[in-house]
Amino acid sequence: EVQLVESGGVVVQPGGSLRLSCAASGFTFDDYTMHWVRQAPGKGLEWVSLISWDGGSTYYADSVKGRFTISRDNSKNSLYLQMNSLRTEDTALYYCAKEKGPNWFDPWGQGTLVTVSS
Amino acid sequence: QSALTQPPSASGSPGQSVTISCTGTSSDVGGYNYVSWYQQHPGKAPKLMIYEVSKRPSGVPDRFSGSKSGNTASLTVSGLRAEDEADYYCSSYAGSQRVFGGGTKLTVL
Repeated sequence: EVQLVESGGVVVQPGGSLRLSCAASGFTFDDYTMHWVRQAPGKGLEWVSLISWDGGSTYYADSVKGRFTISRDNSKNSLYLQMNSLRTEDTALYYCAKEKGPNWFDPWGQGTLVTVSS
Repeated sequence: QSALTQPPSASGSPGQSVTISCTGTSSDVGGYNYVSWYQQHPGKAPKLMIYEVSKRPSGVPDRFSGSKSGNTASLTVSGLRAEDEADYYCSSYAGSQRVFGGGTKLTVL
């Protein structure tokens, strides 16, 4: 069974840092581009970042560029999101998702909640 | 990259059909045949319903269909059922980025 499990979400103060993790299983992890997508409470989905299968290409939404860094460790079947200079507007449920084909995300993890608050 | 535009809400009675639109630009929806649609029930992760504009993943009922014309993509749900009540999001390839719509809450009356 293909599975993605996120972890690392906590309550953090504005200006703080956090690293999210996503553990993948049930598929050949290093065959796929991976993404982070977030959803603020009661709001819609917002694409955050992607990383190519080998980590050689990374892209970010303008709202997080320069503050967030996506990475992966194919030997550990794991995806990461390093989040620095956190703002209250970064409060959201963060999902990792596998890009099965061009712009189609399947499956998604269950999400990990990041709350930025003083 | 601006979010794609979806109507905030849509509704229909059981058995009816409803269509949800998703409007972007020539840099996203209009420029690529890589539009996907997701269904999200409360407290659940999104589920892929349509990919590459009109293709259905295995296990998705054929009551769900997708199309595109110019810069606007559409999701049609035919033969509405109570379990179709959910939020629906479109997404488009946009070169090095991806973009989602604001979401549409579908209510089955």
